[in-house]
Amino acid sequence: QQQVKQSPQSLIVQKGGISIINCAYENTAFDYFPWYQQFPGKGPALLIAIRPDVSEKKEGRFTISFNKSAKQFSLHIMDSQPGDSATYFCAASGTGANNLFFGTGTRLTVIP
Amino acid sequence: DAGVIQSPRHEVTEMGQEVTLRCKPISGHNSLFWYRQTMMRGLELLIYFNNNVPIDDSGMPEDRFSAKMPNASFSTLKIQPSEPRDSAVYFCASRLTSGGARYFGPGTRLTVT
Repeated sequence: QQQVKQSPQSLIVQKGGISIINCAYENTAFDYFPWYQQFPGKGPALLIAIRPDVSEKKEGRFTISFNKSAKQFSLHIMDSQPGDSATYFCAASGTGANNLFFGTGTRLTVIP
Repeated sequence: DAGVIQSPRHEVTEMGQEVTLRCKPISGHNSLFWYRQTMMRGLELLIYFNNNVPIDDSGMPEDRFSAKMPNASFSTLKIQPSEPRDSAVYFCASRLTSGGARYFGPGTRLTVT
């Protein structure tokens, strides 16, 4: 059973546009929600993370929006650039938990 | 910092052979994770070490898989005997403290023919 559901599977965005990736979870014990970025041939790298005490977190062009009641969170990439083309994974875990449950990934392509 | 180091980067082996994947975590990190990534199952946690001690190996698929961490700077994941369905990218990740970010290595792409 997939603990974290991610959509879309793939996304094509024009340069300068907004990329939006969505994730949903069921386990209310989850309280840590990171996003990872993975380039081909590389390991996932932490991009940005949020805890449920805030509804939004922004770092540069990347913003996480968090809706605790709906058990959903999303990644917004503003002014998308070709260099942002990568696979993005959302994830979730509980406090002190060892296992970080990953979504299935979204392959983002930003067209120049 | 060199980051998490994994070797080899690519491994091609025949079914039935023993495969050993190696990982050097970031210096000072006290947690180490082994993950497997496939198209079908995504990223799966195989085993987790804390201070060199295996804490959770519930993700290890079968007895053919084993992992060790003899010291704070080295870990191995062994598959014996290997099977074609073991073909995947295996990642090692390390973490400084509980709740902290996990830093992934570049992965080892394993192909079992």
